[in-house]
Amino acid sequence: QLQLQESGPGLVKPSETLSLTCTVSGGSISSTSYYWGWIRQPPGKGLEWIGNIYYAGSTYYNPSLNSRVIISVDTSKNQFSVKLSSVTAADTAVYYCARSRDGFLFDYWGQGTLVTVSS
Amino acid sequence: QSALTQPASVSGSPGQSITISCTGTSSDVGGYNYVSWYQQHPGKAPKLMIYDVSNRPSGVSNRFSGSKSGNTASLTISGLQAEDEADYYCSSFTTSSTLGVFGTGTKVTVL
Repeated sequence: QLQLQESGPGLVKPSETLSLTCTVSGGSISSTSYYWGWIRQPPGKGLEWIGNIYYAGSTYYNPSLNSRVIISVDTSKNQFSVKLSSVTAADTAVYYCARSRDGFLFDYWGQGTLVTVSS
Repeated sequence: QSALTQPASVSGSPGQSITISCTGTSSDVGGYNYVSWYQQHPGKAPKLMIYDVSNRPSGVSNRFSGSKSGNTASLTISGLQAEDEADYYCSSFTTSSTLGVFGTGTKVTVL
């Protein structure tokens, strides 16, 4: 059974960089059939797609975050990561990692991790 | 790219059927059969319920069904049960500047 687990700091200061890692177990991140994505959800609000990455490194980002986000993959560790720079309180959210298939669908999700931006 | 439009809330009694709409444009919902639906209980991660407009992943109850007409997709829950009370989000592939977009979300209440 495929499992995804997010990890990283739960508190980030304004103007700093948010960094999270997703560890994939029960399957290979190098599968040619899938992409790997990050989605976030501010408290009490809806889902917002951040971006996707293919194991070979090609990336797709939400244009609203494009200038601040970098998603990378480490196939040796079966992990992928997200970095979001210059964060503000508006970036406070539960961040989810997920497996993505063609057609912008996410079939396996991590449990999510709350990141709070505050001084 | 704006979020797909969903009603804020839908309610129904146990055993009834309800339908949630998801309205987009010809660049997303109307242009491709890549509409998905997710169920999210409080404090939990979203769960894929429908993909490619009308397909159910293994393990999802056949009380959940999806359809599409023009720029609007729909999720129907038949034989409504207490456990169906949750938030529901649609999503679609899009050819706009982003890869895809989520809906605004609908809270389903079982009366």
